[in-house]
Amino acid sequence: KAGVTQTPRYLIKTRGQQVTLSCSPISGHRSVSWYQQTPGQGLQFLFEYFSETQRNKGNFPGRFSGRQFSNSRSEMNVSTLELGDSALYLCASSLTGTGASEQYFGPGTRLTVT
Amino acid sequence: GEDVEQSLFLSVREGDSSVINCTYTDSSSTYLYWYKQEPGAGLQLLTYIFSNMDMKQDQRLTVLLNKKDKHLSLRIADTQTGDSAIYFCAESTGDYKLSFGAGTTVTVRA
Repeated sequence: KAGVTQTPRYLIKTRGQQVTLSCSPISGHRSVSWYQQTPGQGLQFLFEYFSETQRNKGNFPGRFSGRQFSNSRSEMNVSTLELGDSALYLCASSLTGTGASEQYFGPGTRLTVT
Repeated sequence: GEDVEQSLFLSVREGDSSVINCTYTDSSSTYLYWYKQEPGAGLQLLTYIFSNMDMKQDQRLTVLLNKKDKHLSLRIADTQTGDSAIYFCAESTGDYKLSFGAGTTVTVRA
């Protein structure tokens, strides 16, 4: 069974631009979560989607948004990029998104904002 | 509230056992997880334990949970060089997200 895939793996953008990251979950998984990982803040929860509905959102500004499609694939968008948005963005998929459902992470997208 | 804490570094000799400790504060935690991250990679799920269990063993990995003290540990038996990585403790509190500790960097020396 294929794992969680994320595209692109690496991205360089300049301040003020916007970016879209993509995540394809494990086949059959309906929950997709996004996390931001930085050396200073560690792993921070961004949002979680299940069946195209956002069920939880972390404490991030409105510049960060996401969506999920009917095939469970998910995208996240960051508008008006700031230097502090440079991070590894990780996507995780699980069957249901609840604690009983194991979450599997993709390799991440490394975003560098210059 | 959620607050997961871990010691930041652990150095262990090859062949010895490693013990990584974690404390959490949210008493409503239902599942507790251990993830491993190697350089340049995502998070690999190692094991998890349900909050009504005291111990779980999976090959070289043993998880111990002291719910009264909100203390979780991961023991790796016969530590190998391939075990060098960052290990994250995480808790699930029923709101569709995981709260992670800062990670423990494990260095295995020959």
